[in-house]
Amino acid sequence: KAGVTQTPRYLIKTRGQQVTLSCSPISGHRSVSWYQQTPGQGLQFLFEYFSETQRNKGNFPGRFSGRQFSNSRSEMNVSTLELGDSALYLCASSLDGTRTDTQYFGPGTRLTVL
Amino acid sequence: AQTVTQSQPEMSVQEAETVTLSCTYDTSENNYYLFWYKQPPSRQMILVIRQEAYKQQNATENRFSVNFQKAAKSFSLKISDSQLGDTAMYFCAFMNPTNAGKSTFGDGTTLTVKP
Repeated sequence: KAGVTQTPRYLIKTRGQQVTLSCSPISGHRSVSWYQQTPGQGLQFLFEYFSETQRNKGNFPGRFSGRQFSNSRSEMNVSTLELGDSALYLCASSLDGTRTDTQYFGPGTRLTVL
Repeated sequence: AQTVTQSQPEMSVQEAETVTLSCTYDTSENNYYLFWYKQPPSRQMILVIRQEAYKQQNATENRFSVNFQKAAKSFSLKISDSQLGDTAMYFCAFMNPTNAGKSTFGDGTTLTVKP
């Protein structure tokens, strides 16, 4: 099976712009979670989607949003970018996000905000 | 809220030796899952090992094993016969089964295996 894929792998934006990142889960996986990884804050949970519905949300401002499509692919959007949004954004997929699941991570999208 | 603490930011070990990475966590839950993930430099994060809290037996995966002490809320990772390819950042993570799809991570331990 193909693993979790994320596009693009690298992105450079300027403050005030918006950005959309994409994640394709492992075939058959219906849960997609997003994390932000920075040197100072470590790995922080953004949100989780299952069957096109946001099921869980972390403590991020409303500028961070996401969605999931019927084929389980997910996108996350960050509007009005700030310098502090520079990070590695990871997505992880699992079968259904329950306690029996293991999350499989994608390679990440490295976002740099100038 | 759950917290995960990894008190060793950096560690090193000689090739073929054994090293133990520490992790403690705080939770009021009785049923949960614990994980160790490995993130090699500029590479994808992968699962190393997983432990269900209701299982008393410590999980093992080849050269990797854990020492799970539920009462002490401790979950350490032992790597035996360390190899150069084990050089990576290691993250300890906690998942509450009632909090779907969300893992709480420690800050990570950078492990360097020296030849």
